[in-house]
Amino acid sequence: EAQVTQNPRYLITVTGKKLTVTCSQNMNHEYMSWYRQDPGLGLRQIYYSMNVEVTDKGDVPEGYKVSRKEKRNFPLILESPSPNQTSLYFCASSFWQGGGGSYEQYFGPGTRLTVT
Amino acid sequence: AQTVTQSQPEMSVQEAETVTLSCTYDTSENNYYLFWYKQPPSRQMILVIRQEAYKQQNATENRFSVNFQKAAKSFSLKISDSQLGDTAMYFCAFMKHVGGAQKLVFGQGTRLTINP
Repeated sequence: EAQVTQNPRYLITVTGKKLTVTCSQNMNHEYMSWYRQDPGLGLRQIYYSMNVEVTDKGDVPEGYKVSRKEKRNFPLILESPSPNQTSLYFCASSFWQGGGGSYEQYFGPGTRLTVT
Repeated sequence: AQTVTQSQPEMSVQEAETVTLSCTYDTSENNYYLFWYKQPPSRQMILVIRQEAYKQQNATENRFSVNFQKAAKSFSLKISDSQLGDTAMYFCAFMKHVGGAQKLVFGQGTRLTINP
């Protein structure tokens, strides 16, 4: 079954305690990205990766790090979490063939993070 | 920068009715893509429908159809014969494909409730 998995699904942590949210996809997609969802703001892109070892900032990268050492994995790292990073986080992977070609995008189930 | 606006924070209709969700966007690009995503209470992000800007014909997927007005930068979603399972948050999204990067920008969302 094609899927994107995220772990953990729920996390409550304290300010400053480093954490990592893992993301893995089994579809051999080259493109992966992280989003955060906040009420009234929709989803905003944090970071994206076009392939192994190729990552770039999205719209709200401050306070986050990512790495892409393997094609299937794209972890999100919060080195010193703060309360304003309390949010719902989504990982996504996608394949796009432009010009009317195929398009696939899959989102993970989401990670609810609370930073106190 | 591209922006996506959903002016209806909440909508509510009776089962079997038709409902239209509004979305406008701002871009200077000529080639781009538009999407509607559904997020039910499970929080899973589900692609409902997509539209390529170069296609004049409006996309349809079963009970879901769009009214794409490129000049007006409008992309509304019509749900016909609404069902209880359509109750969800709906997000409009704009994407441009630049050099391998998929820049996806979401609207704020519309919470749709289908009443029995």
